[in-house]
Amino acid sequence: NAGVTQTPKFQVLKTGQSMTLQCAQDMNHEYMSWYRQDPGMGLRLIHYSVGAGITDQGEVPNGYNVSRSTTEDFPLRLLSAAPSQTSVYFCASSRTSGRGEQYFGPGTRLTVT
Amino acid sequence: AQSVTQPDIHITVSEGASLELRCNYSYGATPYLFWYVQSPGQGLQLLLKYFSGDTLVQGIKGFEAEFKRSQSSFNLRKPSVHWSDAAEYFCAVGADDYKLSFGAGTTVTVRA
Repeated sequence: NAGVTQTPKFQVLKTGQSMTLQCAQDMNHEYMSWYRQDPGMGLRLIHYSVGAGITDQGEVPNGYNVSRSTTEDFPLRLLSAAPSQTSVYFCASSRTSGRGEQYFGPGTRLTVT
Repeated sequence: AQSVTQPDIHITVSEGASLELRCNYSYGATPYLFWYVQSPGQGLQLLLKYFSGDTLVQGIKGFEAEFKRSQSSFNLRKPSVHWSDAAEYFCAVGADDYKLSFGAGTTVTVRA
């Protein structure tokens, strides 16, 4: 049981490049989410999904795209990277809604130059 | 929408001393409250959670938290800190709309 996995662990992009951060969970959780963590700001919700085929925006969705074709996978796409997207990105999953414990992946540290 | 405030950015405590981390929340209904811990370079791990019932909640690693509705607070405590407790601690509030809102975090340094 691997829990929540994220790839890559580190990534450096140039401004304007696109990329996909991968997230997978093997706990059969319906709810998955993406957060970004910036110093002094805690974690901010980017996008979330309550099940396959259902996604919605969080607090800071601009510049990011998501899809959920399977229960297991929830990739996050950066459409055109900007320096403001330099951050640590965490994927999380939960069996239930906001009342449920969220299980976090190890994070992806992204630098945009 | 819900929100969380952690007033202390950084706390330094001696090993063996007690620790209290403050958390204040804003939410119109009954909140779901959580404390998570993040060790350097790691993801977040749940320490404890409160949904309803007994307002004093026990968690892992010897931590406890007390929910005080009148003060909109959910402070985290540990009677005797170990060097391994050095980490960043996040308070979070959840709601039935599937969203979890985090505070900015408190970094705990433990000195020998």
